[in-house]
Amino acid sequence: GAGVSQSPRYKVAKRGQDVALRCDPISGHVSLFWYQQALGQGPEFLTYFQNEAQLDKSGLPSDRFFAERPEGSVSTLKIQRTQQEDSAVYLCASSLAAGYSNQPQHFGDGTRLSIL
Amino acid sequence: AQRVTQPEKLLSVFKGAPVELKCNYSYSGSPELFWYVQYSRQRLQLLLRHISRESIKGFTADLNKGETSFHLKKPFAQEEDSAMYYCALSPALNTDKLIFGTGTRLQVFP
Repeated sequence: GAGVSQSPRYKVAKRGQDVALRCDPISGHVSLFWYQQALGQGPEFLTYFQNEAQLDKSGLPSDRFFAERPEGSVSTLKIQRTQQEDSAVYLCASSLAAGYSNQPQHFGDGTRLSIL
Repeated sequence: AQRVTQPEKLLSVFKGAPVELKCNYSYSGSPELFWYVQYSRQRLQLLLRHISRESIKGFTADLNKGETSFHLKKPFAQEEDSAMYYCALSPALNTDKLIFGTGTRLQVFP
């Protein structure tokens, strides 16, 4: 595909369940980012990958959040024992290069997660 | 602390009027500043970045380090400019993570 693809588009889960959100970045993009966007807020950084290496996970709100990108392409964000405050849109973005170059980030449509 | 402030949640103007969306930032180093836009039912996309010093869709933004501002301006608003606008900062360290403001919704009336 031409852009960043995220699935599912919508996810409803009961409190306490585990969820997994998938991101398929643009082919060849080295950098991959996850953001969390609560209602009425701007996106907030969660974590960053350069190829398969998770270089920054300072934004993950708790140890219930886990992200991986084992082969340096597709990434999965997993949330364990979900809580109501986890309800948000989860955005994935990818960019061509890494580090200081500050290549534009290309965003997916996001996954809207609702915890009941 | 690194922070981006967009003081206006909503800005409403008539077509042809000038527009200024305000953005102030807090960062001790030399950040890179961006404006991202999200049109209705579309994904977030880059509008412009300060290092490019370019005009996109008639919009410009100048980085004012003294006032720590990066306001987005357009002399004559068009209806198709109606969208959500986010100002963002990149600390320009060894990651390109973005720190976003809370966004300003621009409504341009005919």
